[in-house]
Amino acid sequence: ETGVTQSPTHLIKTRGQQVTLRCSSQSGHNTVSWYQQALGQGPQFIFQYYREEENGRGNFPPRFSGLQFPNYSSELNVNALELDDSALYLCASSLEPGAEQYFGPGTRLTVT
Amino acid sequence: AQSVSQHNHHVILSEAASLELGCNYSYGGTVNLFWYVQYPGQHLQLLLKYFSGDPLVKGIKGFEAEFIKSKFSFNLRKPSVQWSDTAEYFCAALYNQGGKLIFGQGTELSVKP
Repeated sequence: ETGVTQSPTHLIKTRGQQVTLRCSSQSGHNTVSWYQQALGQGPQFIFQYYREEENGRGNFPPRFSGLQFPNYSSELNVNALELDDSALYLCASSLEPGAEQYFGPGTRLTVT
Repeated sequence: AQSVSQHNHHVILSEAASLELGCNYSYGGTVNLFWYVQYPGQHLQLLLKYFSGDPLVKGIKGFEAEFIKSKFSFNLRKPSVQWSDTAEYFCAALYNQGGKLIFGQGTELSVKP
């Protein structure tokens, strides 16, 4: 059984640029959630996708957007990057929205 | 507002000592509770979960947690820690079977050999 995978591992971008992060969910999971983890903090919920539809969103501005594909993989897009967007971005998949979530290794984004 | 708080930011123990990490959650309806662990350089792993039933839940690696509804608590325990338990521990809650996991700020555990 393949776990949650994310790409890329690390990314360096300049303020104002756009970035796309990718996630492949665990086999059999139809729900993907994205989180932002700043240094020394717990992960903060960005949004969740269930069967290709957004199923809840946290307190993040609209420049954070996402997609889920028919194979349940997912993308997180961030436009107009700001310095404060520098963080570890985590993807988690689950069997359904209310089930336990399994996390990928994350993508470390640095905005300069 | 729905929230999770962890009592200790950093805990230092010697090997074989007993561990208890505190976690409290706010009232907000039906709640499912989790403990996750993040070992150095590794991703978040699920230690244990509580959905319903027996309030004492057992997880991997000898960890257990007790759900006390009257205290809004879900403390993590281990009778005897090992050096390999050095990691960051996160308590998290799912309210009303939604998908938004709310995390505490984490507790860093350092175990001295």
